[in-house]
Amino acid sequence: QVQLQESGPGLVKPSETLSLTCSVSGGSINSNYWNWIRQPPGKGLEWIGYIYATGSNNYNPSLKGRVTISADTSNNQFSLKLTSVTAADTAVYYCARSRDSRGPHLGYWGQGTLVTVSS
Amino acid sequence: DIQMTQSPSTLSASLGDRVTITCRASQSISGWLAWYQQKPGKAPKLLIYQASSLESGVPSRFSGSGSGTEFTLTISSLQPDDFATYYCQQYNSYSTFGQGTKLEIK
Repeated sequence: QVQLQESGPGLVKPSETLSLTCSVSGGSINSNYWNWIRQPPGKGLEWIGYIYATGSNNYNPSLKGRVTISADTSNNQFSLKLTSVTAADTAVYYCARSRDSRGPHLGYWGQGTLVTVSS
Repeated sequence: DIQMTQSPSTLSASLGDRVTITCRASQSISGWLAWYQQKPGKAPKLLIYQASSLESGVPSRFSGSGSGTEFTLTISSLQPDDFATYYCQQYNSYSTFGQGTKLEIK
């Protein structure tokens, strides 16, 4: 059974970089789509981007330039970096994996981690 | 960018009702659409992928249809566990979620 777990600081200062890691068990990150999604408190879901098994990325155009998703195959985890954060980046951040390699329809999710941007 | 518009935003229904949620894309996404159910404080759960394929373990009262720009999620007979918020997601070009539909008990 594939399991994902987000980790990282729960509080980030404005203008700094948000860094989160998703640890994966029960499956290799060498296949499928590995995504980050966020949800501001009380609001809807926003797709941030993914890294595919081949190492290619796709990012939300509204965040492009600030976001990087990378993979660490030796530790079976992948990471999110979001630079120059503001209060608008406060959200629950989820990592998720596609159910198969046909597309990023997200069949496996972490529990989510709340990141607050505040001084 | 492809915009996804769900309707209605809120839906009040009773146990046993048949309900339909619609998701419209601002341009054709072929069949690259998924539906999710989310309950408060929990991660979303995949219900339907590629517009009409039922995810394993999801009850058969859930079904999806559509292609191009218009899609629907139907719940044939509402059960107590179905009251939640539902999101559509396109993944034809980048990926975008709809704004959500909250399904409430009437």
